[in-house]
Formats: sequence, structure tokens, C-alpha cells
Amino acid sequence: GAVVSQHPSWVICKSGTSVKIECRSLDFQATTMFWYRQFPKQSLMLMATSNEGSKATYEQGVEKDKFLINHASLTLSTLTVTSAHPEDSSFYICSARYGAEYTEAFFGQGTRLTVV
Amino acid sequence: GQNIDQPTEMTATEGAIVQINCTYQTSGFNGLFWYQQHAGEAPTFLSYNVLDGLEEKGRFSSFLSRSKGYSYLLLKELQMKDSASYLCAGLDSNYQLIWGAGTKLIIKP
Repeated sequence: GAVVSQHPSWVICKSGTSVKIECRSLDFQATTMFWYRQFPKQSLMLMATSNEGSKATYEQGVEKDKFLINHASLTLSTLTVTSAHPEDSSFYICSARYGAEYTEAFFGQGTRLTVV
Repeated sequence: GQNIDQPTEMTATEGAIVQINCTYQTSGFNGLFWYQQHAGEAPTFLSYNVLDGLEEKGRFSSFLSRSKGYSYLLLKELQMKDSASYLCAGLDSNYQLIWGAGTKLIIKP
């Protein structure tokens, strides 16, 4: 299957600082990338959907000014958590889809963010 | 509203067979996915069904009944490494994945 690389795998940051997470599709061009958040023992929660070259579409309740998404190319999307707080601590996962809209989504390894 | 229901937790014995059920209600339907997720890791794709019937892939099989809004994942010859959460996700008319909360499968020796 296609490979999606997410970096970093884990990060610890101080409250009030910003953290950038990268998501790269290594061997295909991703028409759409998705950003999810997952709290312990809960399901994936879609935060936003981004298409290359256009603004991300955020889900209801997700602050676009706090979670900045940039999808500058067909192989790279970034999520920046600005002014992070302890409640932002979570497992963030990106996924990428190519081609037809029914194709499976390929997931990155996930990023464990801990804000102290 | 849209909803995916699956059991929270199941326990099975190594070498046995287990069936994980999923019922769905989505706005339109463009298929149903099953993913496996080990603790602390991202989900990995297992299967995709869009037509009624059974799709077999090695030890894993997935079944879909569109008229009943029902799917199941069947795992045979269970191995300890199969201990994981299994996520059911429906693809709605906007091609957005609607995720279930996942079923934690515990395999005992």
C-alpha cells in the first residue's frame, strides 16, 4: 500500500508554545489529506480536510486559528497547534487519499503531543 | 444523524474465531471500511465493502448487508498479535468517513 509519513512521532512542549506536525505522502500524490485527533479509548475525530492549494475545511468546533493547516503541495500537509495548552494533549493522526473518492485512506504513524 | 455502532470490547481465545459486528446509519452510502489499530499506533486498512456479500482476505473476512445497514469482520485462527482495536467506518454521500468508536479485541491464550 501507499506510504504516509508523519513527523514527529511524539513531542513534548510547554504551554503557550506552538508545535508543527508534518504529514507526507511518500510514493503518491495525495489529492486530499485529513487531520484527526484521538483521545484515549475514543474513536478518531476528524478535525479538518485539506486539498492541495486551497484552504482547509474545518469540522464544527475546531478552531481554525488555533489549528493551522497548510497543504502547500500534493505530498505535504502541515498542522500547527498554536499556543498549545494541556487540553490539546492528544494523539494527532493524518491520512491521505489519492484518486477516486472511494479509495482507502492511508494513515501516518500519528503524533503523540503532550503539553506541559 | 449519522452513526456507527459496534461493541466496545470483546474477548476471544487464541486459535478461535471471532465476529465483530457493526451497524451503520449514514447520509448516503459509498462503502464501509474496517481498520485495525494497535494501541498507540495509527489505523491500518483491513477491508472495504461496497456491495453486499462476503469478502475474504486470508484470515480476515468482511461482510456487508446494505439493506440491513450491517457489516461484520470475521477473524479466524486468532493469534495473540490480533489483540487490537477494530474500527468500522462508513463512507457517506460526501465521501467522508464516519468512524465508529472501535471494538477492543482481547485475545487470551
